[in-house]
Amino acid sequence: KAGVIQTPRYLIKTRGQQVTLSCSPISGHRSVSWYQQTPGQGLQFLFEYFSETQRNKGNFPGRFSGRQFSNSRSEMNVSTLELGDSALYLCASSLLRGAGNTIYFGEGSWLTVV
Amino acid sequence: SQQGEEDPQALSIQEGENATMNCSYKTSINNLQWYRQNSGRGLVHLILIRSNEREKHSGRLRVTLDTSKKSSSLLITASRAADTASYFCATDARGGGADGLTFGKGTHLIIQP
Repeated sequence: KAGVIQTPRYLIKTRGQQVTLSCSPISGHRSVSWYQQTPGQGLQFLFEYFSETQRNKGNFPGRFSGRQFSNSRSEMNVSTLELGDSALYLCASSLLRGAGNTIYFGEGSWLTVV
Repeated sequence: SQQGEEDPQALSIQEGENATMNCSYKTSINNLQWYRQNSGRGLVHLILIRSNEREKHSGRLRVTLDTSKKSSSLLITASRAADTASYFCATDARGGGADGLTFGKGTHLIIQP
């Protein structure tokens, strides 16, 4: 079956703008989480959604938000973009929440803020 | 926060040799997962080992886990040029996944043809 699909793959935005990234999890997976990857900070957890509810949130400012729809698809939004938001944003899905669930990642969305 | 620390940060070996990467972590975990990332791409799941397991195999991969030392190792046998990538360990902390998966900084593996 298809893997985790993220769109768009690449985008360039200007400081102060906002951006919305989309993620379609593997069919049947109900948990979706988001990660930010930068050369300096590495991979950092943003948030996790399950059954349309945010279950966990990482240490990111309120400019970072997300949501999950009834079909488990998820979006994340970053408002008032800063140069430091330039990163690879990775979406991951798993069948359920909790320990022992294998977590599968998409190819990511490359965001460049200029 | 970075819980896992991979060692070495970079590793260059000849094709056909074995590659060993190590990961250390700080808190008690439920499980540990290893991922591969090719340049500019997403993460590919390699193997999950639970806290009550000591060793796991998958094809040319062998993972060990020592919870008393809070460390894990990933062995890739008979390496191939296609194994060139960054390898990350990720832990799922016991007591709740409030921080999601916690990743190390990764080991960059280069396989010389």
